Amino acid sequence: EPEVTQTPSHQVTQMGQEVILRCVPISNHLYFYWYRQILGQKVEFLVSFYNNEISEKSEIFDDQFSVERPDGSNFTLKIRSTKLEDSAMYFCASRRPQGSGTEAFFGQGTRLTVV
Amino acid sequence: AQSVTQPDIHITVSEGASLELRCNYSYGATPYLFWYVQSPGQGLQLLLKYFSGDTLVQGIKGFEAEFKRSQSSFNLRKPSVHWSDAAEYFCAVAPNTNAGKSTFGDGTTLTVKP
Repeated sequence: EPEVTQTPSHQVTQMGQEVILRCVPISNHLYFYWYRQILGQKVEFLVSFYNNEISEKSEIFDDQFSVERPDGSNFTLKIRSTKLEDSAMYFCASRRPQGSGTEAFFGQGTRLTVV
Repeated sequence: AQSVTQPDIHITVSEGASLELRCNYSYGATPYLFWYVQSPGQGLQLLLKYFSGDTLVQGIKGFEAEFKRSQSSFNLRKPSVHWSDAAEYFCAVAPNTNAGKSTFGDGTTLTVKP
């Protein structure tokens, strides 16, 4: 069964460093998403991406964040200068085009720890 | 904008007892609705979803949920809880224009007593 794959499963970084979280969406999916979940809190939408551009983003997704689909298979989230409060689980998700059984499939997440 | 309320932060049930987890949503039209389960430190597993049609939906692991438009609710039920059901449960709502942009509730932690 196809699945969304995220690497690494856990990343530790120093405050102020840049970090890139990587995701391989399901191959025939066209919509891509990042969510985050701070420990003990709910899952929050960050950004959606379609046709090589951001289609929607939340207030959380400020200038420190960027997303990219550098090739035909990967989808990345970059945090430019990490802060302690960026420590969270980050989930990537993807889905097929609208109107064809359209729930998003989530990856297992990358736990980011900023020290 | 859509929103989700899960009124119960923590629920404890005995193994074998029935379960109902509540979810209320706010959205201007008929939304897409989801229930996810998350074990500690793990990812999100989709239990079931509602897009349209039959308002009683069946999911995995013996779970079901009923969409009630008049009450803006999408409560999750299971007739007999197993110890392995202990986890965090999230209700989520997405607009019918972007099924991947979900707004999640705060979650309900389920504890199962032996």
